[in-house]
Amino acid sequence: QKEVEQDPGPLSVPEGAIVSLNCTYSNSAFQYFMWYRQYSRKGPELLMYTYSSGNKEDGRFTAQVDKSSKYISLFIRDSQPSDSATYLCAMARAGNQFYFGTGTSLTVIP
Amino acid sequence: NAGVTQTPKFQVLKTGQSMTLQCAQDMNHEYMSWYRQDPGMGLRLIHYSVGAGITDQGEVPNGYNVSRSTTEDFPLRLLSAAPSQTSVYFCASSYVPGGRTEQYFGPGTRLTVT
Repeated sequence: QKEVEQDPGPLSVPEGAIVSLNCTYSNSAFQYFMWYRQYSRKGPELLMYTYSSGNKEDGRFTAQVDKSSKYISLFIRDSQPSDSATYLCAMARAGNQFYFGTGTSLTVIP
Repeated sequence: NAGVTQTPKFQVLKTGQSMTLQCAQDMNHEYMSWYRQDPGMGLRLIHYSVGAGITDQGEVPNGYNVSRSTTEDFPLRLLSAAPSQTSVYFCASSYVPGGRTEQYFGPGTRLTVT
């Protein structure tokens, strides 16, 4: 079983929609959770970083972590065409390597 | 700060050739790592380093060597290139291993082995 599972999509939404991206994981020792955005032919760019459970909001982006369900989410409000990218979830435990999902491809249609 | 830089951006190799992918960071990060990204496979860890002089293997180390003589640089060597090594390679760095601090990525090197 993979450490991190992520639906690859692709996901296509109209501009202004709320987007929900999700990952599940199997290792209950993970404490740090990240979302990266990757534009075509570019390196992953850190979008959100959270520690343990709960919510974190940054502008139009909200990251949620539910450790009891081993489930993390990224919500994008008022989605824009510039949000079209691949979104990667990542997680780690202290002092150890990062584990990545395979990425979800998102297209926001004007 | 330039962040994490990688050279070259693109490279084409013939089977059996060797080459070195360069990675440098100017953030004084102790932890550096190399990943390869293939369609449907996500990012897979090749090798990592927790400080100058210390390296270790990740998930897919075969066919690759690394060394870390300075905090700033972490080159990845392909010993004898194979078509299976066609991929996009990313270097990343963070202050410490694991997730206590954010990990930053370079722009990538797109490698094709024919």
